[in-house]
Amino acid sequence: GEDVEQSLFLSVREGDSSVINCTYTDSSSTYLYWYKQEPGAGLQLLTYIFSNMDMKQDQRLTVLLNKKDKHLSLRIADTQTGDSAIYFCAESIDTGGFKTIFGAGTRLFVKA
Amino acid sequence: ETGVTQTPRHLVMGMTNKKSLKCEQHLGHNAMYWYKQSAKKPLELMFVYNFKEQTENNSVPSRFSPECPNSSHLFLHLHTLQPEDSALYLCASSQDQSSYNSPLHFGNGTRLTVT
Repeated sequence: GEDVEQSLFLSVREGDSSVINCTYTDSSSTYLYWYKQEPGAGLQLLTYIFSNMDMKQDQRLTVLLNKKDKHLSLRIADTQTGDSAIYFCAESIDTGGFKTIFGAGTRLFVKA
Repeated sequence: ETGVTQTPRHLVMGMTNKKSLKCEQHLGHNAMYWYKQSAKKPLELMFVYNFKEQTENNSVPSRFSPECPNSSHLFLHLHTLQPEDSALYLCASSQDQSSYNSPLHFGNGTRLTVT
């Protein structure tokens, strides 16, 4: 089946690292994505990783992929109050055309 | 300026009204999408158009009617809505549905309230 799961909430202190986790079920994932949604806005693509990679780093963001366990994580280093948002994990699966499956989103609270 | 623009940003309508939501993308993409985002619910895919042809309709009630006159524009025509249709309606675009890495690019949404 096609399912992407995330925990609903995460609270961290400013300056700490945040780790947002995601699990998916479909083996035909090609790319996995992280999106950020701030209040009153749409989803903004943050980063992505190809399903054959283990890790991708982009400034404060580190994406780790464990393909065997179908587990994806997003680490935000030195978390700032501006990082408070909802983070969505998504996978692109090959169904003859490509289809994107979204998780329910993790709401990140950053305490000053 | 965002690559995907949605208008209006906010809309309040009565159950007997007819209104339309508009989406325009300036990214040269060929696939466009409508999503519904309600409080405490996952994103719901409503419709997909690929090269102006509708490729997906996720059992959406007929009171929602999409229109895609060209690859850059997408409309959602609304009539006789119900209060439970109140939500944030998000438009997105992607290169197309055949490309290997084709992430979605979203607009900022239309916040719809049905009274």
